[in-house]
Formats: sequence, C-alpha cells, structure tokens
Amino acid sequence: GAVVSQHPSRVICKSGTSVKIECRSLDFQATTMFWYRQFPKQSLMLMATSNEGSKATYEQGVEKDKFLINHASLTLSTLTVTSAHPEDSSFYICSARRGLNILSYEQYFGPGTRLTVT
Amino acid sequence: QKEVEQDPGPLSVPEGAIVSLNCTYSNSAFQYFMWYRQYSRKGPELLMYTYSSGNKEDGRFTAQVDKSSKYISLFIRDSQPSDSATYLCAMSGTEHQGGSEKLVFGKGTKLTVNP
Repeated sequence: GAVVSQHPSRVICKSGTSVKIECRSLDFQATTMFWYRQFPKQSLMLMATSNEGSKATYEQGVEKDKFLINHASLTLSTLTVTSAHPEDSSFYICSARRGLNILSYEQYFGPGTRLTVT
Repeated sequence: QKEVEQDPGPLSVPEGAIVSLNCTYSNSAFQYFMWYRQYSRKGPELLMYTYSSGNKEDGRFTAQVDKSSKYISLFIRDSQPSDSATYLCAMSGTEHQGGSEKLVFGKGTKLTVNP
C-alpha cells in the first residue's frame, strides 16, 4: 500500500510555455501533499504544502503565481509551472500523507518528474 | 550555516564492507530523524526513522542519533551492490503548522557498492 504516482515522468518544453505535473495517491486518501524540487547534487527543497480543498502554502522564495498548485481531491494534486524558463529545469517530486496530525516521516514519495525547459 | 549538512560523497566500497553515512544539523528543535534511499531518477524511499536520541536496528541497517552532538549516522553492514543509491538524511521538529510537519533534507550521499 501507500503508492504515489506522478505523471509525466519526463517532460521537455519550450521556454515560455506552461507544464502541468500530476501527483496521485493510488491506494489511500491524501489529506496533505507536498511538492519538492531537487537540483542535481542538491537536497530536496520543499516548495509548497497543499491540503485538499484549500490553498497551498508556499515556502519562502517560491513564487506562487509561477508554481500553481491545485489539490482538488483527496487523491490528486497538480503542479503547473507557468511561463517556464530554463532555470526551472529540475526534478520535481511530490509526496502524500494519509491524514492530519501524522508524524513527519509518514509521507510517501512519488517517482518524480524530470522537467527540462529549452 | 545550513540546517542539515551531509557529505555528498561519492562513496565507493567493496561488497561486504560496513558503510557509515553521517549528517550533522544545527537546529536543536529537530526531534525526528529519517534516512531515505533514492535510486537514480526515482523518489526517496523511507529506510528508517528514529525519534530523539538512541539507536535503531533493522536488518543490516542501524540508525544512530546523538542529539548532544547534533549528529546522526546510518550504518549498513554486509553492503550489497543493490545498496548502491543516494542516501538522504531528513529531520523535522515538533512544530505544527496546520497539522503538518516539514522535513528538512541533507544533500544526500551517493554510495556505490562494487561487487
């Protein structure tokens, strides 16, 4: 149990276009989903936390108008990178948590999406 | 000073060796300490977690936390080629923000176990 999928696994887009990445919890309901970004040889950096049915909470330095997050259901969250630029090229990983007041380690990670902006 | 420091390696060992992976941290509020394994181009997978100080063993893996030194370790005994991956330490405190607790990750140490 506790499987999280991401789609697409890889995407290449042109500068200035928008890209949507989906994160799904396949066998559980995720009240909270997290979006991380990982640059080569760097740590995972939390971008935002999204709770189902409410607005996402963005970490300091993350532009909420550029990285649109929608957590429309208990099994799906989407991250849209708007007007993508080459510096947005990175590995985007989501994770999902089953419920509220759950300990921090009880989150399950998706396989990640490699975004390349040309 | 970063909140979590981890030597990125790379670390290369022969099969059967004992591997020691370490992280240091600066935030004394951290209470939960995790180790994740991440294969190339995959998401992290939780290996072990420890609450506060102490040791925890699971098969060939042992996690140690020394809060007085702000230092955590992961030991892998009888290492196997399948252990080749990047190992990330992660930590969180007890601060609740809307019911969630954030993880702070180290950069990860890339380990290669050679047959």
